[in-house]
Amino acid sequence: DAGVIQSPRHEVTEMGQEVTLRCKPISGHDYLFWYRQTMMRGLELLIYFNNNVPIDDSGMPEDRFSAKMPNASFSTLKIQPSEPRDSAVYFCASSLARGQFNSPLHFGNGTRLTVT
Amino acid sequence: AQSVTQLDSQVPVFEEAPVELRCNYSSSVSVYLFWYVQYPNQGLQLLLKYLSGSTLVKGINGFEAEFNKSQTSFHLRKPSVHISDTAEYFCAVRSSSRDMRFGAGTRLTVKP
Repeated sequence: DAGVIQSPRHEVTEMGQEVTLRCKPISGHDYLFWYRQTMMRGLELLIYFNNNVPIDDSGMPEDRFSAKMPNASFSTLKIQPSEPRDSAVYFCASSLARGQFNSPLHFGNGTRLTVT
Repeated sequence: AQSVTQLDSQVPVFEEAPVELRCNYSSSVSVYLFWYVQYPNQGLQLLLKYLSGSTLVKGINGFEAEFNKSQTSFHLRKPSVHISDTAEYFCAVRSSSRDMRFGAGTRLTVKP
């Protein structure tokens, strides 16, 4: 199994530009999570999906952030327009729950976003 | 709501010494508990998990953790650490609310 695949690994952009982060979960997993990691705030849950449906997006910081999961094998996190305070490492994770909540999450290697 | 508190932000220790990384949680329902490790420039990897049954769980790389319901704790231990154990360690809790919440992390630094 290839694991959770995120792209790009690094993204440098200028303030005001649109940024799109991509994630391919492990095949067959029915939960997908987006987290943001910063030194100041640690790991923050932004949003998660179950069977491609967004369940809880209360962690999305502002309307500038949006996430989609058009099918079971692909998800995007978009920031438009980006700001310097969005600089962080963004992680995607997936799990196979089948209605149970004791499954661990499998993480991708993250996307390091720098907004100048 | 569930939450996780990792009591130490940094733990320095000498090689071959024992180590304990502390974690306390709060939740109004039954929980599942996890420890993850993060090496530089990588994602989080699962070390071990407590789902039910025996309160002492063993994980990879010689780590183990003990679930203590009365103290709402899930401390991580290793009897003898190696330089390669230097990393960030995260405690996490998941319950019927379905999402997973992480602690702030503990940076373990193993010195020669």
